[in-house]
Amino acid sequence: GAVVSQHPSWVICKSGTSVKIECRSLDFQATTMFWYRQFPKQSLMLMATSNEGSKATYEQGVEKDKFLINHASLTLSTLTVTSAHPEDSSFYICSAPSRDSGERGSYNEQFFGPGTRLTVL
Amino acid sequence: GNSVTQMEGPVTLSEEAFLTINCTYTATGYPSLFWYVQYPGEGLQLLLKATKADDKGSNKGFEATYRKETTSFHLEKGSVQVSDSAVYFCALRNSGNTPLVFGKGTRLSVIA
Repeated sequence: GAVVSQHPSWVICKSGTSVKIECRSLDFQATTMFWYRQFPKQSLMLMATSNEGSKATYEQGVEKDKFLINHASLTLSTLTVTSAHPEDSSFYICSAPSRDSGERGSYNEQFFGPGTRLTVL
Repeated sequence: GNSVTQMEGPVTLSEEAFLTINCTYTATGYPSLFWYVQYPGEGLQLLLKATKADDKGSNKGFEATYRKETTSFHLEKGSVQVSDSAVYFCALRNSGNTPLVFGKGTRLSVIA
């Protein structure tokens, strides 16, 4: 089946530091991954599309220099929150479409990671 | 652009009550429609989906029918359980590798 993992599941950091969040597709390859942000009791907002071997595509209003995305391989995308501030505290979720065509989904079914809760003090 | 509107929560029901969570959408073309569920402290899980008009998605007693004429995809369950307490998100996707567009989510609390 298609499984997406994220690491860490939660992180607390000091203001001004950088935090890296990893998103891995464990049993399939993903040329594309999506990064979402979820504020408390709100919906998921797409931040950017991560593309293996090329630059990420950012949504309007998302700072490219603050949220660095690197899709280093077909199974790994990373989101680095640079110079984090308290307003960056949020729940960050990645997803990846899978070619799995079994009980757990069909081609281009999207599978979500469990999320990373970032708290910036 | 594409958008999803779902009913505001929170929704509080007694066990075995009937559940409806309304969802309407605006989209170009013929999107696929989804309901995702997020249990407390967990990530999103696909609950059900429908890929074309008049399709009915169903899972764990939940159902939703893709209504093109009313651009709706309302979620229903005949008898809710305490374990159904979660946040439910309606979402759409136009095609292939495009990202999902989510509604704001509806928090459901089921009390015994």
